[in-house]
Amino acid sequence: KQEVTQIPAALSVPEGENLVLNCSFTDSAIYNLQWFRQDPGKGLTSLLLIQSSQREQTSGRLNASLDKSSGRSTLYIAASQPGDSATYLCAAFMDSNYQLIWGAGTKLIIKP
Amino acid sequence: KAGVTQTPRYLIKTRGQQVTLSCSPISGHRSVSWYQQTPGQGLQFLFEYFSETQRNKGNFPGRFSGRQFSNSRSEMNVSTLELGDSALYLCASSLEASLEQFFGPGTRLTVL
Repeated sequence: KQEVTQIPAALSVPEGENLVLNCSFTDSAIYNLQWFRQDPGKGLTSLLLIQSSQREQTSGRLNASLDKSSGRSTLYIAASQPGDSATYLCAAFMDSNYQLIWGAGTKLIIKP
Repeated sequence: KAGVTQTPRYLIKTRGQQVTLSCSPISGHRSVSWYQQTPGQGLQFLFEYFSETQRNKGNFPGRFSGRQFSNSRSEMNVSTLELGDSALYLCASSLEASLEQFFGPGTRLTVL
């Protein structure tokens, strides 16, 4: 069964810290992996997309890495701010069934 | 460039009724995917349409159906509503399902 797991489920850190969110997937035949942010009661905002042939992508204070062989992706957030508080979801697009498989998300709270 | 729009934003229905949700994709995007999000199950894929054809379908009962029009706008319909259908329904558009997906704000459906 294809699964995407995100650990931890929740994380609370003081403002200014650098932090890492983890995403693991059981099927290495992924086409790409996307990281999203979701604010309470809202839709999803795309943060970064990494193609299976890439190792990492960067956007501002965000850096996402992908290691297909180990079935892992990480989202690194530098110099965290209270506005970064949200739920972060990763989703792997699978070659086999041509759809996104979702993790359950990490709820991030940045304390001022 | 206008984003993905979904209407209505909120709906309250009673068991046994049916409901139709609408999604207008980003201009030029031909792929529209629908997802159901609940606290217990997380995000689950419903179906994907491309150029008016359903290309992929998740594991949902036949009460859930959809269609796509020639202008790429999509609708999803849920018949004979059940309490468990209460959820946030999200649609996403992309140039192609395997590429970056952009989400609408969602429709919050409550079934009483």
